[in-house]
Amino acid sequence: KNQVEQSPQSLIILEGKNCTLQCNYTVSPFSNLRWYKQDTGRGPVSLTIMTFSENTKSNGRYTATLDADTKQSSLHITASQLSDSASYICVVSAMEGGGNKLTFGTGTQLKVEL
Amino acid sequence: DAGVIQSPRHEVTEMGQEVTLRCKPISGHDYLFWYRQTMMRGLELLIYFNNNVPIDDSGMPEDRFSAKMPNASFSTLKIQPSEPRDSAVYFCASSRLGQSVSGNTIYFGEGSWLTVV
Repeated sequence: KNQVEQSPQSLIILEGKNCTLQCNYTVSPFSNLRWYKQDTGRGPVSLTIMTFSENTKSNGRYTATLDADTKQSSLHITASQLSDSASYICVVSAMEGGGNKLTFGTGTQLKVEL
Repeated sequence: DAGVIQSPRHEVTEMGQEVTLRCKPISGHDYLFWYRQTMMRGLELLIYFNNNVPIDDSGMPEDRFSAKMPNASFSTLKIQPSEPRDSAVYFCASSRLGQSVSGNTIYFGEGSWLTVV
């Protein structure tokens, strides 16, 4: 069964600090891995998409890494800001029937405080 | 572009009533998805359409749920009769997928917050 597990479940950090969120998956056959940011009361917004051949991708202060061998991904946030407070969702795609089947993690709730 | 547009944004209804959620995908996108999000289970795919045709509805929880896409710019998700356990946020999303499906971005609407009392 395809699964995506994220850790930690929640995290509180001080503004300006860095943090790293983890995603472990058991999805096969792997197609791509995405990180989404979901602000409270809003829909998820795509941060990064990585395919099998990519092991790092950046989007501003967000850097995602992928280790397809160990089936792990991380999202690193540099110099955090209050606006980074949100839920971060890891989504892994499997190739099925010529299309993609997405498996969602339950997210890491990040709170950035002064 | 206005993005994916959903309505209503919030709905409170009594158990047993019919609920209809609406979605307008991004123009030119040929895939439309309906998701449900709860605290316990996170985001779950209910159904998705390609070129207005339902492709995979295996995520639809039961016969009380139905979805239609009569044209490329409109879709509905209907719950009849609604139950308290249907309370959740329902997201519509759209995407343009080509032959190389890797790298496509799925754009989400702002969600419809449903409370069934």
